[in-house]
Amino acid sequence: EIVLTQSPGTLSLSPGERATLSCRASQSVSSSYLAWYQQKPGQAPRLLIYGASSRATGIPDRFSGSGSGTDFTLTISRLEPEDFAVYYCQQYGSSHTFGQGTKLEIK
Amino acid sequence: QVQLQESGPGLVKPSETLSLTCAVSGYSISSGYYWGWIRQPPGKGLEWIGSIYHSGSTYYNPSLKSRVTISVDTSKNQFSLKLSSVTAADTAVYYCARLENTAMVFDYWGQGTLVTVSS
Repeated sequence: EIVLTQSPGTLSLSPGERATLSCRASQSVSSSYLAWYQQKPGQAPRLLIYGASSRATGIPDRFSGSGSGTDFTLTISRLEPEDFAVYYCQQYGSSHTFGQGTKLEIK
Repeated sequence: QVQLQESGPGLVKPSETLSLTCAVSGYSISSGYYWGWIRQPPGKGLEWIGSIYHSGSTYYNPSLKSRVTISVDTSKNQFSLKLSSVTAADTAVYYCARLENTAMVFDYWGQGTLVTVSS
């Protein structure tokens, strides 16, 4: 099973700043099958990025994804108040696994 | 617009079987896609449980495989989860979701339902 490790565990930033979230896999992941989700308290996760770098429908262009192999990154170029949430990466190999999450909090 | 809604008991006794159903609207399960269950223990991360195709083909999380059964009822446009021999560690919010099977991502989610395992 592929293990995804996200860092940092918590990221404290201010609105307007740039956020960089990391997702590292225990073995190589196909870029086609790496995704990012956003989850706010009391809500279901929302798909942000699929195929490592493609934005899902309706996702603002301040969200971008990059990476390949074992290292992937989610970047939020200019944080809006509604972006403070928990972010998860997810991969599909023979099964689906999620990272443990990065909490993005207001500084 | 695709919508999913979980339903089932909110409280299950230890050693018993947890049963949940996911009703799908706005899309016919028979038209394709995989459908899945994901859970989230309180304050913790997401864990994929298993997925099913409209034909009934399934695949499960290896760590849960011995206890999980997922089935589909296309006539009712719904799919179901059974998790046997539950313990307190199975207490979680259970989500159903559609699995977009080109990118293998969960693109539509239900709101989730909390299931507590306690006597």
